[in-house]
Amino acid sequence: QKEVEQDPGPLSVPEGAIVSLNCTYSNSAFQYFMWYRQYSRKGPELLMYTYSSGNKEDGRFTAQVDKSSKYISLFIRDSQPSDSATYLCAMSRDSSASKIIFGSGTRLSIRP
Amino acid sequence: DTGVSQDPRHKITKRGQNVTFRCDPISEHNRLYWYRQTLGQGPEFLTYFQNEAQLEKSRLLSDRFSAERPKGSFSTLEIQRTEQGDSAMYLCASGEGRSPLHFGNGTRLTVT
Repeated sequence: QKEVEQDPGPLSVPEGAIVSLNCTYSNSAFQYFMWYRQYSRKGPELLMYTYSSGNKEDGRFTAQVDKSSKYISLFIRDSQPSDSATYLCAMSRDSSASKIIFGSGTRLSIRP
Repeated sequence: DTGVSQDPRHKITKRGQNVTFRCDPISEHNRLYWYRQTLGQGPEFLTYFQNEAQLEKSRLLSDRFSAERPKGSFSTLEIQRTEQGDSAMYLCASGEGRSPLHFGNGTRLTVT
């Protein structure tokens, strides 16, 4: 079993829809949670960075962490075609961690 | 802040040849990471530097792989006697203190 599980998709939704992306994990020591967006042939770009449980909002993006369920989510409101990309969840045990563990990524397509 | 820079962007080599990649992190970032990403997968941790010290190496990093960060600034990743299974995107990331990682756009290696 992988430490971090993420549905690979692909996920296709119409423009303007609310998108929900999720990851589960098995290591209860993870405390820092990240979402990265990756366009084709580009490196991952940091979207959200949260510590422990709770919600964090940044514009159209909301990250949720439920440590009791070992479950994290990223919501995208008013989705745009430019949001079409692969979304990677990532997590680590500490803020200056020796390594960050990534999910396999979810491919998202926003239909105009 | 010019971002993490990686060179070359794409490298095609024949099996058995040696290759070297370079990463220039964001200036003053003391942490530097190398990851490998294959198609449809998330990045996998290879190795990590704190300044010039290599603090952790993944079991994925066989004896054919070596990484250096001689002056705590740029880093190189060398693969000796390349194999077809080494074909992947090699990503470099840097961070400062407790800040999250910022990735470069990677070097895509194709071994023929």
